[in-house]
Amino acid sequence: KAGVTQTPRYLIKTRGQQVTLSCSPISGHRSVSWYQQTPGQGLQFLFEYFSETQRNKGNFPGRFSGRQFSNSRSEMNVSTLELGDSALYLCASSFTREETQYFGPGTRLLVL
Amino acid sequence: AQSVAQPEDQVNVAEGNPLTVKCTYSVSGNPYLFWYVQYPNRGLQFLLKYITGDNLVKGSYGFEAEFNKSQTSFHLKKPSALVSDSALYFCAVRDVMNYGGATNKLIFGTGTLLAVQP
Repeated sequence: KAGVTQTPRYLIKTRGQQVTLSCSPISGHRSVSWYQQTPGQGLQFLFEYFSETQRNKGNFPGRFSGRQFSNSRSEMNVSTLELGDSALYLCASSFTREETQYFGPGTRLLVL
Repeated sequence: AQSVAQPEDQVNVAEGNPLTVKCTYSVSGNPYLFWYVQYPNRGLQFLLKYITGDNLVKGSYGFEAEFNKSQTSFHLKKPSALVSDSALYFCAVRDVMNYGGATNKLIFGTGTLLAVQP
């Protein structure tokens, strides 16, 4: 079974721009979560989607948003990028909201 | 609030020796605990989890973890370390919603860098 895939793998943007990251979960998995990883803050939860509905949201500004489609694929969007948004963005999927999460390789975003 | 702590930023061990990576937790209710490993420029790979049952949990790549309720610990162990085990290890706990409902949110420790010398 293919793992979680994330596109693109690397991205360079400038301040003020917006970006959309994509995540395709493992086939059959319906829950998708997003995490931000930075050297200073570590791994922080962004949001969780299940059945196209956001079920939980972390402590991030409204510039961070996401959605999930009927095929369980998910996207996250960051508007008005700031330098501090430079990070590795990880997507994880699970069969249900209480099953083990499996992570994708991440998208590394650099904001200049 | 749920939390985990990894007291060691780095653990050094010689190849062939046993290794331990420490994790302590603070939770309300029963803990759902996980270990993940991250290799350079990669995502997180699941190693093992504790939900309930046997206090010794066996996982991937020869790793195991011991759940100790009295010491609120969930240390990761391996009897014989390999150079290829060198990576960043994260302990995590599943959060609980205020109303007690399900969530898939994981709260991670700060990570422990394991360095295995040949």
